[in-house]
Amino acid sequence: QITLRESGPKMVKPTETLTLTCTFSGFSLSSSGVGVVWIRQPPEKALEWLALIYWNDDKLYSPSLKTRLTITKDTSKNQVVLTMTNMDPVDTATYYCARWAHLNYFDPWGQGTPVTVSS
Amino acid sequence: QSVLTQPPSVSGAPRQRVTISCTGSSSNIGAGYDVHWYQQLPGTAPTLLIYANDKRPSGVPDRFSGSKSGTSASLTITGLRAEDEANYYCQSFDSSLSGPYVIFGGGTKLTVL
Repeated sequence: QITLRESGPKMVKPTETLTLTCTFSGFSLSSSGVGVVWIRQPPEKALEWLALIYWNDDKLYSPSLKTRLTITKDTSKNQVVLTMTNMDPVDTATYYCARWAHLNYFDPWGQGTPVTVSS
Repeated sequence: QSVLTQPPSVSGAPRQRVTISCTGSSSNIGAGYDVHWYQQLPGTAPTLLIYANDKRPSGVPDRFSGSKSGTSASLTITGLRAEDEANYYCQSFDSSLSGPYVIFGGGTKLTVL
């Protein structure tokens, strides 16, 4: 059974850096054809893709956010970490991680972690 | 504004059929990238509903079906049930100058009347 769980601060201040961790089980990021993605959803709004890391350490970033994002993996800990710099209130959202499958879909998803940006 | 365009809302009575469209362009759906659909029930994380245009993961009822043609895709739900009331999102890839990157539709809220 594959599971993913997001963790991190529930609140950050404007201009701070957000660090989120996705801890997963049931698959290994050292196996070919595997990846983990980060997606966020502001309250009552649509899903927005953030970043994707593949088993071979290739990375993709949202063009509109790439200057603020860094995605890394720790294969030994079964974790993927996303950092987002210079947080702003508009970054308030629920942040999800999910497993990337080779046909470019995401399944399953974690339960999500809410993050509020406020001073 | 999302790269993939979905109607903000659709509705239908129980046992009826509804279709949700997802319109892209020549740099995403039209370029041959697959379309995937997710269902997000109120207060929960999205779950995969349809992958690779028309394939159902195990456990998804055959009332849900997907199709793709040209630069668009569709999700059809037949025999509507109250528990289908949710938000539905399409997802694909885009290969524009800054790509490749993942794209989502703006989501469609399905109301079962």
